[in-house]
This record gives sequence, structure tokens and C-alpha cells, in this order.
Amino acid sequence: DGGITQSPKYLFRKEGQNVTLSCEQNLNHDAMYWYRQDPGQGLRLIYYSQIVNDFQKGDIAEGYSVSREKKESFPLTVTSAQKNPTAFYLCASSITTGADEQYFGPGTRLTVT
Amino acid sequence: KNQVEQSPQSLIILEGKNCTLQCNYTVSPFSNLRWYKQDTGRGPVSLTIMTFSENTKSNGRYTATLDADTKQSSLHITASQLSDSASYICVVIGNAGNNRKLIWGLGTSLAVNP
Repeated sequence: DGGITQSPKYLFRKEGQNVTLSCEQNLNHDAMYWYRQDPGQGLRLIYYSQIVNDFQKGDIAEGYSVSREKKESFPLTVTSAQKNPTAFYLCASSITTGADEQYFGPGTRLTVT
Repeated sequence: KNQVEQSPQSLIILEGKNCTLQCNYTVSPFSNLRWYKQDTGRGPVSLTIMTFSENTKSNGRYTATLDADTKQSSLHITASQLSDSASYICVVIGNAGNNRKLIWGLGTSLAVNP
């Protein structure tokens, strides 16, 4: 898991509520990423950030929002607009975006009922 | 369409045996290819990174090969251990100028039984 922490490990919410997942890194990496992992599917990119105060939509950004106010932190908010929020969420970081190796956190399993 | 296909989908072997996992891709242009190991309920951990010019790279009991002509890679695990039970994911990084995109495979689920 390197120097990336995600909290909490498990999260339960009622449908219609927004929820924020935490991701912190102490690797001094510029780039950070959020992925979603569902059974039978590869990792899908939600949002990524190349540098502080900048972020870009990934392949499945609808229903999610992010912020990057500090280099170390890249929280993900799952809004009520996300149709199927129950999933395993993974945060990653790399020195820069591009071909650099990504280091992953331990993940947060979100269950919405 | 850029794709990464892994086979087999799942595999069961006995402790101490060897196995080989396959990854075929259609990503072009190609930058590099990575193999990750993901334990259940954890984040992926990098095993190897292969660039276009590399044919073979080893990391302990893990050996990855790459044939850029046929767009195939394999991950060979020698003398398997119970701790090798995990999902092994192949990731191909496309090289489209300044915009590099990661294409993730679905992974091979490996179970090593005593």
C-alpha cells in the first residue's frame, strides 16, 4: 500500500446521501487518481489530478466530484446522482501523470442501500 | 479499439507448481506494459514494468515476457506459494503524444492450494 492511505476501509450509506472518501499520500507525488472496481470489470478511471488545484474527468466521472486543495489529499465525493455507487474504490498516485508507475491505496468498499 | 485480454480467467494450482498467465493487447501506439498483483480486498501492487525494447524481466519468482510484435505478454510464476493466491492484472499504457492512457485487463484469479 506504500504511502497512500484510504479511509474508512468499509463505508455504508443510505441511498440519496452524499459520501466522501478520503485519500492521503506522503510520497510527494504530483499526480493522484480515483478508480472504481466492480466484479468482472477492469479498473475504471473516475477522476485524476496532475497537480494541486487541477483535476480532470476520467472515463466514468458522472455522479462523482473531487477536489485537490493540497498535494497530499484527493478526496472523492460520491453524490446521490451516481446510479450504482456500491463498489470498491481505489486511490492511486504517481510522480507525474503519463507512464509513471502508480501506487495504490488499500481501497474503500462502499455499500449503498 | 484499445483492449487488453487476459487468460485464463481463473486458475487453480497446487503449491510448488509453476504457472503462466497470458495477456494479449491491441493497444497502439504502445508505451509500456505492467503486471500488478491484487490480494482480495486490497489495492494492486506492481510486479513488473516492461518497455517496448524489453523481452524478459524477473522479480523474484515472477518472470514477465513481452513480444511487442505479436502484442502478447506472459507472467510466469515459479514454485508457487500459498501467498501467490491473488488476482494478477495486466495494464497496457498507450502512448498518444502527451496523453497516455492506461488500459486495464480484467485479471486472472489464481488460487494456490496446499
